[in-house]
Amino acid sequence: EAGVAQSPRYKIIEKRQSVAFWCNPISGHATLYWYQQILGQGPKLLIQFQNNGVVDDSQLPKDRFSAERLKGVDSTLKIQPAKLEDSAVYLCASSLEFSQQYYEQYFGPGTRLTVT
Amino acid sequence: AQRVTQPEKLLSVFKGAPVELKCNYSYSGSPELFWYVQYSRQRLQLLLRHISRESIKGFTADLNKGETSFHLKKPFAQEEDSAMYYCALSFGNEKLTFGTGTRLTIIP
Repeated sequence: EAGVAQSPRYKIIEKRQSVAFWCNPISGHATLYWYQQILGQGPKLLIQFQNNGVVDDSQLPKDRFSAERLKGVDSTLKIQPAKLEDSAVYLCASSLEFSQQYYEQYFGPGTRLTVT
Repeated sequence: AQRVTQPEKLLSVFKGAPVELKCNYSYSGSPELFWYVQYSRQRLQLLLRHISRESIKGFTADLNKGETSFHLKKPFAQEEDSAMYYCALSFGNEKLTFGTGTRLTIIP
């Protein structure tokens, strides 16, 4: 099966500019996640969707970050305006569904963002 | 709050020697523990989870609730084991909390 797709793979922007990342999960996966991985740290969950509804966005900096998952398939993550500390790899992951039973998360290749 | 600690950022081991990557966690309930691995130029992927009690690629990990640890072990290291390893914790709703990772290098 095709894996999680993300684009672009790399992005360089100046601070205060805006940027958007796209994610296409594995077909049939109801749950989609966005993680931020800063250099030297583990991935940190930003937002979790179940179909097109938000399950958890407690760690999303809502003053500058936004995410949507229209039609419960593809998702976009936007940063506006970007700050230097947003430089990181943004990972998208998907799993079968959200429930009490753990379903393995499958990760995309990530988008490496550099803010100058 | 839940926390995962991996005390070693870097670990070098000779080929054929035993490997142990340490992971400690803090959580008051009964979490699920996982090890994720990222090989060079590949995606982050699940290696194993404590609940399945499997040995994957020769690796095992035992959950020690008394010591709140979930160390990853392999008796004989192989060169292809060189990778970045992340310990992660989940509580009920699939939300994963990751440690900072350990870069394992196997010396030929």
